[in-house]
Amino acid sequence: ETGVTQTPRHLVMGMTNKKSLKCEQHLGHNAMYWYKQSAKKPLELMFVYSLEERVENNSVPSRFSPECPNSSHLFLHLHTLQPEDSALYLCASSQDLTTSWDTQYFGPGTRLTVL
Amino acid sequence: KNEVEQSPQNLTAQEGEFITINCSYSVGISALHWLQQHPGGGIVSLFMLSSGKKKHGRLIATINIQEKHSSLHITASHPRDSAVYICAVYKAAGNKLTFGGGTRVLVKP
Repeated sequence: ETGVTQTPRHLVMGMTNKKSLKCEQHLGHNAMYWYKQSAKKPLELMFVYSLEERVENNSVPSRFSPECPNSSHLFLHLHTLQPEDSALYLCASSQDLTTSWDTQYFGPGTRLTVL
Repeated sequence: KNEVEQSPQNLTAQEGEFITINCSYSVGISALHWLQQHPGGGIVSLFMLSSGKKKHGRLIATINIQEKHSSLHITASHPRDSAVYICAVYKAAGNKLTFGGGTRVLVKP
């Protein structure tokens, strides 16, 4: 039973839609992450939050907007996406954001399809 | 050329065989992670190491900082070990985490 949950597990949306992905961790961790995994490409780190502050934004287009209202919740707001944004979006958390990136616990992911 | 290269890309083994997956990187790093991704997407963090060797059950991870190389070994492999194994390296300079392309492992009964 993972301590990191993600909803929805599957999402199909049109390019003009606005939707949000939700991640919740029940582990008491202080750092949370959004990753993107496209078919046949390595995992890509998108955003990192530590103690509810964004500490990393890896040149992600503005159509992806993260939000971390508290240390247990992380959202990814989606707006006017492109078909190439279809991917598995993974959330993870770790106890702290140390200089060596603490062991991370991953959620099951949201499989997003943009039509 | 990617900063993190894994080999092989695909590996098929018979149950009980010893499996080795390799990860080579081209930059100085602070730490290296091995992750396991099962069909359906779920990812488990297996190891984080910066030197030497770590063991957890039938899994062993080693790293040679001088040679910029890490290996993940699976002893007495089992069909439930079938997954994609991903290597990721962390660089303190730039606070960056870079992932390899993964090794798809299939263990047949």
